[in-house]
Amino acid sequence: SAVISQKPSRDICQRGTSLTIQCQVDSQVTMMFWYRQQPGQSLTLIATANQGSEATYESGFVIDKFPISRPNLTFSTLTVSNMSPEDSSIYLCSVGRGYTFGSGTRLTVV
Amino acid sequence: GQQLNQSPQSMFIQEGEDVSMNCTSSSIFNTWLWYKQDPGEGPVLLIALYKAGELTSNGRLTAQFGITRKDSFLNISASIPSDVGIYFCAGRPILIQGAQKLVFGQGTRLTINP
Repeated sequence: SAVISQKPSRDICQRGTSLTIQCQVDSQVTMMFWYRQQPGQSLTLIATANQGSEATYESGFVIDKFPISRPNLTFSTLTVSNMSPEDSSIYLCSVGRGYTFGSGTRLTVV
Repeated sequence: GQQLNQSPQSMFIQEGEDVSMNCTSSSIFNTWLWYKQDPGEGPVLLIALYKAGELTSNGRLTAQFGITRKDSFLNISASIPSDVGIYFCAGRPILIQGAQKLVFGQGTRLTINP
């Protein structure tokens, strides 16, 4: 199965700033998924990122807040823009139809 | 949208005991997945189920895809300390669009007393 490297593993950010999270896969994959896991909660899908096309966002998530890039078949980034404390969560990327997850980025907004 | 009800929310058991948790849905799913998440890590897939009635084992873990396609359970036999963690069910609902989407349960936090 694919191996995912996700960076950074954690960060503490000031409100109003933006953070870009990177997800690198050791093999080519068609679809990459970005999830949010709020403290003590389950996982919620933010968007699906396909190479060469716009990401598909789930209800409640918009491109202006969570812009996604997918420049090739092994890499994707998720940006959390104009952050507020409510954005404090673990953000996870996933490939293989959700079978493999990265280790996550624990974001704290102060 | 689809929701999964996972129970129990937490379990406190003695080492060596068996564990059972389940997930139910209001709609039909065509895939059921069970994950374990350790602190500071992403979920790790334990078992994947693809057909109604399917019963699959992975070591001490056994999971079943319900006949109605609206539920699944996970059993852990003879629990050991490394079983501690949060277990999530996830399902892939039958949709016209967004067929790749996974819906997750709320998780079951397992604590084991040695």
